[in-house]
Amino acid sequence: EVQLLESGGGLVQPGGSLRLSCAASGFTFAGSAMSWVRQAPGKGLEWVSGISGSGGGTYYADSVKGRFTISRDNSKNTLYLQMNSLRAEDTAVYYCAKLKRGVNEPYFDMWGQGTKVTVSS
Amino acid sequence: DIQMTQSPSTLSASVGDRVTITCRASQSISSWLAWYQQKPGKAPKLLIYKASSLESGVPSRFSGSGSGTEFTLTISSLQPDDFATYYCQQYNSYFLTFGQGTKVEIK
Repeated sequence: EVQLLESGGGLVQPGGSLRLSCAASGFTFAGSAMSWVRQAPGKGLEWVSGISGSGGGTYYADSVKGRFTISRDNSKNTLYLQMNSLRAEDTAVYYCAKLKRGVNEPYFDMWGQGTKVTVSS
Repeated sequence: DIQMTQSPSTLSASVGDRVTITCRASQSISSWLAWYQQKPGKAPKLLIYKASSLESGVPSRFSGSGSGTEFTLTISSLQPDDFATYYCQQYNSYFLTFGQGTKVEIK
């Protein structure tokens, strides 16, 4: 079964750090570009970051550049998002998503169930 | 960044109605547009890509059209399972942006 399973969310204080993971199964992970997309409570979707299949190319939204780092371990079929200097406005459900046709056509044909991140004191 | 604006924000319709949602881009994005459906508490689901290509497994009552800066998602005959929020997403550049969403409610 094709599946993306996020983990690592939780409650963190402003200025703190958190690392999200996304375990992939059922498809060739190493050949698949991936992204993180978030959704603040009651709000719309916001693209956060993306990474090529090899990990050689990474992309970030301006809102997280310099604070978040995307990475992947193809030997473990796992995508990561290291989040530092967290702010209240980073509070959201974070989804990992698979790009259907790679970085040249970055739209998403598969999504995880999401992991909730709350930044609050 | 390319801004995406959807209209309307909320739409009330009945089962069997023809429904049209519009998405406008702040600059030309050719046909690099996708549409997603999201139900409460669930992840988005891809419906349409490249403005008018139907994703495998998506019912044929969904269709997309447009190019440049103006796009539409049409549901030809609204079904009970279609009450949800719909988002457009441009991928003309890797700095991806979504529309703010259109909620389709039961009238």
